[in-house]
Amino acid sequence: DTAVSQTPKYLVTQMGNDKSIKCEQNLGHDTMYWYKQDSKKFLKIMFSYNNKELIINETVPNRFSPKSPDKAHLNLHINSLELGDSAVYFCASSRRQTSNEQYFGPGTRLTVT
Amino acid sequence: RKEVEQDPGPFNVPEGATVAFNCTYSNSASQSFFWYRQDCRKEPKLLMSVYSSGNEDGRFTAQLNRASQYISLLIRDSKLSDSATYLCVVKNYGGSQGNLIFGKGTKLSVKP
Repeated sequence: DTAVSQTPKYLVTQMGNDKSIKCEQNLGHDTMYWYKQDSKKFLKIMFSYNNKELIINETVPNRFSPKSPDKAHLNLHINSLELGDSAVYFCASSRRQTSNEQYFGPGTRLTVT
Repeated sequence: RKEVEQDPGPFNVPEGATVAFNCTYSNSASQSFFWYRQDCRKEPKLLMSVYSSGNEDGRFTAQLNRASQYISLLIRDSKLSDSATYLCVVKNYGGSQGNLIFGKGTKLSVKP
């Protein structure tokens, strides 16, 4: 069984559209994250939620809005997509906020045309 | 200056070679250190944590020098399956508790 899953795996869309990426973990972890890996392969944290509560919000445009309906899910909604949003978005989870190991989902490859 | 810096490589080595990766970090308050591995078009996965006393896991040895803010990973007897990108990662506490800071990674290609 997949521990951290994301849908969709690939997403191709036009500039200006609104899209969502879903993430689910079945590990019973308290903390979930969204990362962005750009074309230069640089992986950077965007958001972190602990028990459905936002705890990290790095400098990310407010077009990006995370939503955690329960602690097993952390979705990412992106409004008014721009070319620069093209990247791979990884969801991750950890047992607790202070845990060292994070488990990553397979990634969602977003291409904005 | 980036918070975690690594030589991007690529390192192209023959099977059986020993290869070493280096990493430096800028925040002296960083508390925890790791190496993650990322295969091509896959997600990162934890390879090993790095402890001040140095630690070994099979063919892999990690070392930390807090005074120099330097982390290393040594791979002995390289296998074809070791080909991947190795990400140096530090964890800071306080304002961004639980925040992992990733280096850009060092690409390793092991050839037959």
